[in-house]
Order: sequence, then C-alpha cells, then structure tokens
Amino acid sequence: DVKVTQSSRYLVKRTGEKVFLECVQDMDHENMFWYRQDPGLGLRLIYFSYDVKMKEKGDIPEGYSVSREKKERFSLILESASTNQTSMYLCASRLGNSPLHFGNGTRLTVT
Amino acid sequence: DQQVKQNSPSLSVQEGRISILNCDYTNSMFDYFLWYKKYPAEGPTFLISISSIKDKNEDGRFTVFLNKSAKHLSLHIVPSQPGDSAVYFCLVGYTDNTNAGKSTFGDGTTLTVKP
Repeated sequence: DVKVTQSSRYLVKRTGEKVFLECVQDMDHENMFWYRQDPGLGLRLIYFSYDVKMKEKGDIPEGYSVSREKKERFSLILESASTNQTSMYLCASRLGNSPLHFGNGTRLTVT
Repeated sequence: DQQVKQNSPSLSVQEGRISILNCDYTNSMFDYFLWYKKYPAEGPTFLISISSIKDKNEDGRFTVFLNKSAKHLSLHIVPSQPGDSAVYFCLVGYTDNTNAGKSTFGDGTTLTVKP
C-alpha cells in the first residue's frame, strides 16, 4: 500500500519565517504534488514535480518554492511566511496516470 | 475562470437514501475523471474513477456517471450510510502524464448522512 508521509501534522510559525514542509513517499512514484486546501476553495495546486530536480508551477505558486533532490522526497518552502498562507497543505504522489495518493496533511498557522 | 465546479457546497440525506453529488467541467479535452473523499484532519482518499470511453462505473454502493456531451460527472451513493459523511471532491484532467499538473479539483461538497 502506498504511503505518503508529511513530517508535521500541525505547525505554528511567525510572519516572515522561512518554513519547510517535507513529504516522503515510499512507492517510487515519479510524480509528486503540493496542494493547499481552504474552505470553499477546494484543493489548489501549488507546485508539482515529474522527476528528480524537475518542477512545474501549479495554479498558485506565488510565495512558495519547492525542492526535489531525491525521488522519494518533495519539499515545499515558504520563503517568508505570511498570514494568508495559513492553510492545510497536502502532499500527493502518483505513478503515471494512476490515482493520486495523499498524505494526511499539515495544518500551518502563520501568526 | 473555474474549469471544474461542484455547485452544491453541502448536501444532507437520510440514512438508506440515495446521495447524488455533481461536478461540471468546461474543457471537452479532459479525459481523467475521479472522485475523492475527505474526512477532517485526513488527506483525501481515492474513491472511484471512470474512463472517458465509458458512461458508468460501479463499485459496490458507489457509481460514477459521465456525460461527456454535457461535461457533467456525478457520484451516486446507494444506500447512504452515516460513515459516508465527508467532503467529496471531483478531480478532472488528463491521463497524459505530461499534463499531470493540469488536473483540477472541484471545490468540494460536504455530505451529511443523518441516522
């Protein structure tokens, strides 16, 4: 069974801090994704990666960057956290066109 | 312009009755159609999908219908159970892996099944 693990369930950070959200998958999936979920807005794609060191912007990349140095790990970076980045962050992976497998999410609060 | 819409933010049904969740999309080139279910404080889990060459796919109590001419996708749950209470998202996009990032989720419908 595919396992997607997000390193933190809850995070509280201050405005201006640099924030790292980590995601690891154990099934050798080439595609990995970062979404954020906000009430009434569904899941919006921030960035995705289709291979090591490869990345593509999603629908809302502003204020974020990503890193994929190893196939199993995909990191989301908030360069300078702001209060409008308070959200639920969800990592997902998939093999080819199989369904996305999600982690349990990180609830980030920026104060 | 929103490419994928779930027009009902919430739906409440009685246990044992049918739940029908709807999803509309705008791009006729989409060929990747899935439904996900999400409980609070958990990630979404895959529920059911349908190929673009079919108009119906069943899996136990869950059936997904696709009307490509109307660009409409629906999920039927029969009979509904209290444990089905969750947020349901449709995901629409492309099977082609090079367009993996162009799949789009609907806004979600919160289903409440009352005992």
